[in-house]
Amino acid sequence: NAGVTQTPKFQVLKTGQSMTLQCAQDMNHEYMSWYRQDPGMGLRLIHYSVGAGITDQGEVPNGYNVSRSTTEDFPLRLLSAAPSQTSVYFCASSYSIGLGTYNEQFFGPGTRLTVL
Amino acid sequence: KNEVEQSPQNLTAQEGEFITINCSYSVGISALHWLQQHPGGGIVSLFMLSSGKKKHGRLIATINIQEKHSSLHITASHPRDSAVYICAVSRPSGSRLTFGEGTQLTVNP
Repeated sequence: NAGVTQTPKFQVLKTGQSMTLQCAQDMNHEYMSWYRQDPGMGLRLIHYSVGAGITDQGEVPNGYNVSRSTTEDFPLRLLSAAPSQTSVYFCASSYSIGLGTYNEQFFGPGTRLTVL
Repeated sequence: KNEVEQSPQNLTAQEGEFITINCSYSVGISALHWLQQHPGGGIVSLFMLSSGKKKHGRLIATINIQEKHSSLHITASHPRDSAVYICAVSRPSGSRLTFGEGTQLTVNP
């Protein structure tokens, strides 16, 4: 199994440009999520999905869109990049979200994004 | 005040020392996670626990639900243990995690 994969590893954008960060997992996990990691702050949840066709907002969703057309893929779209979106982005997955359950999270290697 | 607080923020140790990293949380949880982030950036799950104690090699994680506190211990520390250690909690409503800011550990030879 490849686990959780993310592309690209590095990206530089100009303000106003759009792009999509790719995330895929081959573990048949229902739950997938996107986090951003900034210096001096813990990982913060951007968007998450509990299954194909179902997505919801996390703590910091503004400026980002997601979709979940398949179990495997969960792309994150930046609509109009801003310098405040300079960050390291991590995709994660786990087997299920179910009420009262808790599951090990598997993280992708991260995408380092710089917006000029 | 953050829902998950870690201490210390930075920790420098000599090889062989016993290390403790602390995590306190202020919300109800279904589980607490300890994660490790290496200098290359990758994040791996070390432990997931909801009570008591877990051990894996030189790593030990404990949790006191009543006191809302967890500790991660590293015995006989080694330079390869140098990493950021992150505490996170799962809320009872599901798998969404709330993270601490992390503890940067440096183990010198």
